[in-house]
Amino acid sequence: EDKVVQSPLSLVVHEGDTVTLNCSYEVTNFRSLLWYKQEKKAPTFLFMLTSSGIEKKSGRLSSILDKKELSSILNITATQTGDSAIYLCAVDNNYGQNFVFGPGTRLSVLP
Amino acid sequence: GAVVSQHPSWVICKSGTSVKIECRSLDFQATTMFWYRQFPKQSLMLMATSNEGSKATYEQGVEKDKFLINHASLTLSTLTVTSAHPEDSSFYICSATGFSGSENIQYFGAGTRLSVL
Repeated sequence: EDKVVQSPLSLVVHEGDTVTLNCSYEVTNFRSLLWYKQEKKAPTFLFMLTSSGIEKKSGRLSSILDKKELSSILNITATQTGDSAIYLCAVDNNYGQNFVFGPGTRLSVLP
Repeated sequence: GAVVSQHPSWVICKSGTSVKIECRSLDFQATTMFWYRQFPKQSLMLMATSNEGSKATYEQGVEKDKFLINHASLTLSTLTVTSAHPEDSSFYICSATGFSGSENIQYFGAGTRLSVL
C-alpha cells in the first residue's frame, strides 16, 4: 500500500529559528511530490518536485527531493509567527488521478 | 496559480435536511476532482474521487448514498450531504487537478464548514 510519512508531527520553535520538515514515501508509481501549507482553511500549494525539478525555492522556503532516498525536506529559514501552520506532503502516484497525503507537520512559531 | 472556488464557505442546517456544496475550477478544466473531510487537528481524509462524466469512486467506509457526488462538467463538481445529522458536522474540502508543465498539481478550494444542529 502506498504511503507517505512526515516527521516530526509537531514542532515548536521561536521566531528566527530555521526548521526542516521531513517527508518520506513508498509508492509504486511516483510522479511528483507536493508541499502544501494549511492554516485555518484549506491547504495552499507551495511546491511541486519531480524527477526533472528536484529543488525549489521561494523566499525563505526551499525544498529538495531525494529520489534515491525516497524523501523530501522543506526548509524554512528565519521563521515568523505567520509560518505557523500544518505543512502537508503529498505524492502523485497516478498522473493526477490519485494523491497520497502524509499526516502533516504542525509547526508553531512563537514570538 | 489555478483557482478552485468552493461554495458555501460555511453552512448551518437542521438535522434531516440536505446540503449541497459546489466546487468549481475557475480558470482550468479539471477532469478529476477530490472531496475530503477534515476533523479538528487531523489530516485530510479522502472521501471520494470524482471524474467528469462518470460515477465517483468512494473510499472505503464512505456511504455513497449519504454523500452524493456529481461531476457534471469539467469545471464543476458537487457534494450533497443527504439527511444530514450532527455527526456529519465537519470541514469539507474539494480539490481539482490541474496541469503544470507536464505534471499535475492538486489545487484546493477554501473549504466548507458544515454545522448540523
